Amino acid sequence: KQEVTQIPAALSVPEGENLVLNCSFTDSAIYNLQWFRQDPGKGLTSLLLIQSSQREQTSGRLNASLDKSSGRSTLYIAASQPGDSATYLCAVRFTGGGNKLTFGTGTQLKVEL
Amino acid sequence: GAGVSQSPSNKVTEKGKDVELRCDPISGHTALYWYRQSLGQGLEFLIYFQGNSAPDKSGLPSDRFSAERTGGSVSTLTIQRTQQEDSAVYLCASSLRTGNEQYFGPGTRLTVT
Repeated sequence: KQEVTQIPAALSVPEGENLVLNCSFTDSAIYNLQWFRQDPGKGLTSLLLIQSSQREQTSGRLNASLDKSSGRSTLYIAASQPGDSATYLCAVRFTGGGNKLTFGTGTQLKVEL
Repeated sequence: GAGVSQSPSNKVTEKGKDVELRCDPISGHTALYWYRQSLGQGLEFLIYFQGNSAPDKSGLPSDRFSAERTGGSVSTLTIQRTQQEDSAVYLCASSLRTGNEQYFGPGTRLTVT
């Protein structure tokens, strides 16, 4: 079964800290992987999309890496800010899984002053 | 430009009634997706459209759920004879083409009483 797991479920860090969010998936045959953030009561905002042929993508303070062979992706957030507080979701489009995204359950991040 | 829009933003309905949820994708996006986010279940795929056709309906939970897309644009998700377990946030996403980055709308929060 194609599944996506995110650990930890929740994380609290002081402002300014660099942090890493983890995503693992059970099948290395993927088309792409997408990281989203979700603020309470809101929809999903796309942060980064990594194609299966890529190793990493960067956008501002965010860097996402992909290691297909080990079934892992990480989202690195540099110099965290209170505005980064949100739930971060990892989603995978598996090859042969149609065009749908399979989501992890998310990591709820709180950045404290 | 305008993002994905959904209406209504909130819907409260009585058990047994039918509801229609609307999604307006980003202009020019050929692919459209419906997902459902409920407590304890995370984000689940429902159905995917390419143009007006739905090649993948595998996520629809029962025959009470149906969706259509007209003119390659607006989509409507219909739930007949609603049940309390249908209460969730229904999210719509669109992408330029199949496999591209998916952009999500703000969702419709459905509460069945």
